[in-house]
Amino acid sequence: EIVLTQSPATLSVSAGERATLSCRASQSVTTNLAWYQQRPGQAPRLLIYDASNRATDIPARFSGSGSGTDFTLTISSLEPEDFAVYYCQQRLNSWTFGQGTKVEI
Amino acid sequence: EVQLLESGGDLAQPGESLRLSCAASGFTFSDYGMAWVRQAPGKGLEWVSAINNGGFNTYYAASVRGRFAISRDNSKNTLYLQMSSLRADDTAVYYCAKEAGHARPFDHWGQGTLVTVSP
Repeated sequence: EIVLTQSPATLSVSAGERATLSCRASQSVTTNLAWYQQRPGQAPRLLIYDASNRATDIPARFSGSGSGTDFTLTISSLEPEDFAVYYCQQRLNSWTFGQGTKVEI
Repeated sequence: EVQLLESGGDLAQPGESLRLSCAASGFTFSDYGMAWVRQAPGKGLEWVSAINNGGFNTYYAASVRGRFAISRDNSKNTLYLQMSSLRADDTAVYYCAKEAGHARPFDHWGQGTLVTVSP
């Protein structure tokens, strides 16, 4: 089973600042990695697929990078609606989610 | 517009069974793999089960294998999850999710249905 480890568990930032979230896989997933955003009380929403491609209607302030085992989600300038929990997920071998990073004010 | 509407969540006692349904619309249901993902209260996302577009290939997390069964009726555009021998740690919101394509991420999610397992 491929394990995804996200860090940090909680990221405290201010609106307008840059946020950098990390996801590390226990073995290579090439670029078969996605990022999701989950706001309180809502279902998850796909942000990034194939490590670096923005999903439909996702603002340009969200970007993803990485390959193999190390991946990063960057939010260039946080908007109030970006305070949420972010999950990475791999689909190379079965389905696995990371444990999430909470971005809080 | 893609819509996924889950139903069937309820309060159940340990050992009982429940069946969840997910009614899909806004896309050609028979073209896409589907899955169930759950989230225990205050916890992260956990993939539970998946099924390919034709319904012939099914996959399960170790935590539910042998107790849960996923199925689909492409004529009714509906996904199912039959849950048996329920345990307290099955308590969660269960989301239905659509794959963007084979071995692709989940591009659409339902709003979830709550399953509570308690004596």
